Amino acid sequence: GAGVSQSPSNKVTEKGKDVELRCDPISGHTALYWYRQSLGQGLEFLIYFQGNSAPDKSGLPSDRFSAERTGGSVSTLTIQRTQQEDSAVYLCASSPGTGGVTEAFFGQGTRLTVV
Amino acid sequence: GEDVEQSLFLSVREGDSSVINCTYTDSSSTYLYWYKQEPGAGLQLLTYIFSNMDMKQDQRLTVLLNKKDKHLSLRIADTQTGDSAIYFCAPFSGGYNKLIFGAGTRLAVHP
Repeated sequence: GAGVSQSPSNKVTEKGKDVELRCDPISGHTALYWYRQSLGQGLEFLIYFQGNSAPDKSGLPSDRFSAERTGGSVSTLTIQRTQQEDSAVYLCASSPGTGGVTEAFFGQGTRLTVV
Repeated sequence: GEDVEQSLFLSVREGDSSVINCTYTDSSSTYLYWYKQEPGAGLQLLTYIFSNMDMKQDQRLTVLLNKKDKHLSLRIADTQTGDSAIYFCAPFSGGYNKLIFGAGTRLAVHP
């Protein structure tokens, strides 16, 4: 595709339910980031995938959060037993990799609301 | 770990220059990016500078890099209301091999 695609664009879920957020990166991009942005706040790093290396999970806020990236392409962020404080916009970005210009291209995000 | 600091808020009068500052800790940063997020929109790359440069100019935008002090700034000349947005500083950390984002500076432009 032409850009980074995220789905769904909006998700409302009940507290305690599990949710899955999907990110389709730009084809050929080896690096993929997940960030979270709460209302009026900056970007909070969650997890980073680079090629076949072990992901950098240092930003995941709790063990309710996990992410995987299948075949070096599509990524899914899963939040188990959602809490109200999980409400935020979840942003995915992909990048060509570590060599040369390492610009990240962002998707439009998934707005998650936990009620 | 790598740390990127920005002031959270800047208010300027329309037509004046805006200067948004950023400090970072990783001296091995190679490319340093500025992203812009307009209200209700995603993040878009605004400009970037390579670490072997100390200045880059692009129309109304000037990026200054002081590698010794690990200080990056973005100057917007003749600031317009359409420049109102959140600006994120994002060095690519060679040590951590990833982009590190600051918290963002919210720029408000008033008449």
